[in-house]
Amino acid sequence: GAGVSQSPSNKVTEKGKDVELRCDPISGHTALYWYRQSLGQGLEFLIYFQGNSAPDKSGLPSDRFSAERTGGSVSTLTIQRTQQEDSAVYLCASSGGEFYLNTEAFFGQGTRLTVV
Amino acid sequence: QKEVEQNSGPLSVPEGAIASLNCTYSDRGSQSFFWYRQYSGKSPELIMFIYSNGDKEDGRFTAQLNKASQYVSLLIRDSQPSDSATYLCAVNIQEYGNKLVFGAGTILRVKS
Repeated sequence: GAGVSQSPSNKVTEKGKDVELRCDPISGHTALYWYRQSLGQGLEFLIYFQGNSAPDKSGLPSDRFSAERTGGSVSTLTIQRTQQEDSAVYLCASSGGEFYLNTEAFFGQGTRLTVV
Repeated sequence: QKEVEQNSGPLSVPEGAIASLNCTYSDRGSQSFFWYRQYSGKSPELIMFIYSNGDKEDGRFTAQLNKASQYVSLLIRDSQPSDSATYLCAVNIQEYGNKLVFGAGTILRVKS
């Protein structure tokens, strides 16, 4: 597609349930990022993929969070046993990635997760 | 030391004034530098990029880069109330293969 696509755009889930958030990056982009943003706060880095591998997953807040990327394209962020503090907007971004001249990232519209 | 640092603000300027936003970074090997704008409730959008020392102008926006001082700035001339947003500085970090790292952002408020 023309831009980064995230689904769903909104997700309401009950505390304790698992959720999966999906990101479709721009075609051909090798780098993919997941961020979390709580209301009125800055971007919180979660994980960075280069191709299918994740050289930096230092931002995942707990072992309830995991992410994978298959075929160097689509990525899924999974949150297990959701807690109310997981409520936030989850943003995905992709970039051309490996060469410094194409590292600018383009963001999806985000998934607003609400845990009730 | 954080990899990319910005003053959180808010920075308040009157309409028509020049707004100056600053960013410092820690990786001397960084080669690409970006400014993003984020309106409340929206995703960040890229507004400027710069790779070489000096100034780069695009309309009312000028990006300035000084690699020796590890400093990048964004000037907004003739500031408008519609420029009120959070401005994020982003820098490529060579560790992890050119990963893009964002600063925490500076809130800009332009008062009419």
